[in-house]
Amino acid sequence: GAVVSQHPSWVICKSGTSVKIECRSLDFQATTMFWYRQFPKQSLMLMATSNEGSKATYEQGVEKDKFLINHASLTLSTLTVTSAHPEDSSFYICSARDSGLETQYFGPGTRLLVL
Amino acid sequence: EDQVTQSPEALRLQEGESSSLNCSYTVSGLRGLFWYRQDPGKGPEFLFTLYSAGEEKEKERLKATLTKKESFLHITAPKPEDSATYLCAVQAGSTGTALIFGKGTTLSVSS
Repeated sequence: GAVVSQHPSWVICKSGTSVKIECRSLDFQATTMFWYRQFPKQSLMLMATSNEGSKATYEQGVEKDKFLINHASLTLSTLTVTSAHPEDSSFYICSARDSGLETQYFGPGTRLLVL
Repeated sequence: EDQVTQSPEALRLQEGESSSLNCSYTVSGLRGLFWYRQDPGKGPEFLFTLYSAGEEKEKERLKATLTKKESFLHITAPKPEDSATYLCAVQAGSTGTALIFGKGTTLSVSS
């Protein structure tokens, strides 16, 4: 139980294009989903928290117009990196919190490379 | 300021050599402490949730304990497949549902 999937697992795109990453909770409903970014050999950095049906809450320093988050259903959240630049290259990981529980379950991550 | 510190940063063990990883925290109103395992290039895998001081949880060769200031992840007779980065995270009253992560301990177990 408590499986979270991400798609795609890796993506290469040209500078200036937009990339969408999907995060799904496969066997539970997630009222809250989270998006993290991880640089090599560093811990996870929270980017934003999204609640189903409402606007995402972004952490300080994260550009909300650049990292668009949509949480349209209890099992799906999407992160769109708009007008991607090479410095956006990173490992993006989502997590989902099972309704009524405190534990967050993480997806396998998406590696983004912007050329 | 809420803070989570993990030590050591890296740990090398021989197969069968038991040891402990430490996670110390200073938060206002602990709601839960979480241990995850992360393999290179993958997302964190959930291991344990601890809610109150004195609580212990076990899974195979791993045992997690919690006090009012810190948590330990004890690894008994580790095997090479236990090699990974172990992350500690806390959920505090001040952070709502968000987790505060430590920087992790990278464990290497050699045969």
